[in-house]
Amino acid sequence: EAQVTQNPRYLITVTGKKLTVTCSQNMNHEYMSWYRQDPGLGLRQIYYSMNVEVTDKGDVPEGYKVSRKEKRNFPLILESPSPNQTSLYFCASSWARGGTEAFFGQGTRLTVV
Amino acid sequence: DQQVKQNSPSLSVQEGRISILNCDYTNSMFDYFLWYKKYPAEGPTFLISISSIKDKNEDGRFTVFLNKSAKHLSLHIVPSQPGDSAVYFCATRRMDSNYQLIWGAGTKLIIKP
Repeated sequence: EAQVTQNPRYLITVTGKKLTVTCSQNMNHEYMSWYRQDPGLGLRQIYYSMNVEVTDKGDVPEGYKVSRKEKRNFPLILESPSPNQTSLYFCASSWARGGTEAFFGQGTRLTVV
Repeated sequence: DQQVKQNSPSLSVQEGRISILNCDYTNSMFDYFLWYKKYPAEGPTFLISISSIKDKNEDGRFTVFLNKSAKHLSLHIVPSQPGDSAVYFCATRRMDSNYQLIWGAGTKLIIKP
């Protein structure tokens, strides 16, 4: 089954404690991205990757890091989380940047206290 | 600045009637317009799209209309069914920004039995 898998689904952490949200896709997609969803703002892109070892900033990259060492995996790293990073996060993949049909993971609900 | 706006946070429709979801955009450099559907605790899933060179695209009960002069996009669902209750996101693809997807804030559709 074609899917994008994110872990964990829910996470509560304290300010400053480094965390990683994993994302994996099994469709051999080249393009992967991370979004955050906040009330009234829709989905905003954090980072994206066009292929292995190729990553770039989206609209809201501050406070986040990513890596793409393998085609299937695209982890999101928060080195020092702050309360304003409390949000719902989605990983997505598609054949190429701007692909109209993106596949999304189930989301990670992050709370930073 | 919000380039894609969904002005109705929620919409309630009787089962069997038509649901009309609206989206307005401000940038003329969008070449594709998309609708995604999202159920609680799941990621968004692609529903239907339309190219900027067309004004209508139909897929079963779902029809998307594009009015370029008004910079307005709408999704019609006929007839509405209980399983259509979800949040619907409008998204657009920017030709002048490496085909980045820009998202609206979403409209929650509730189908009443």
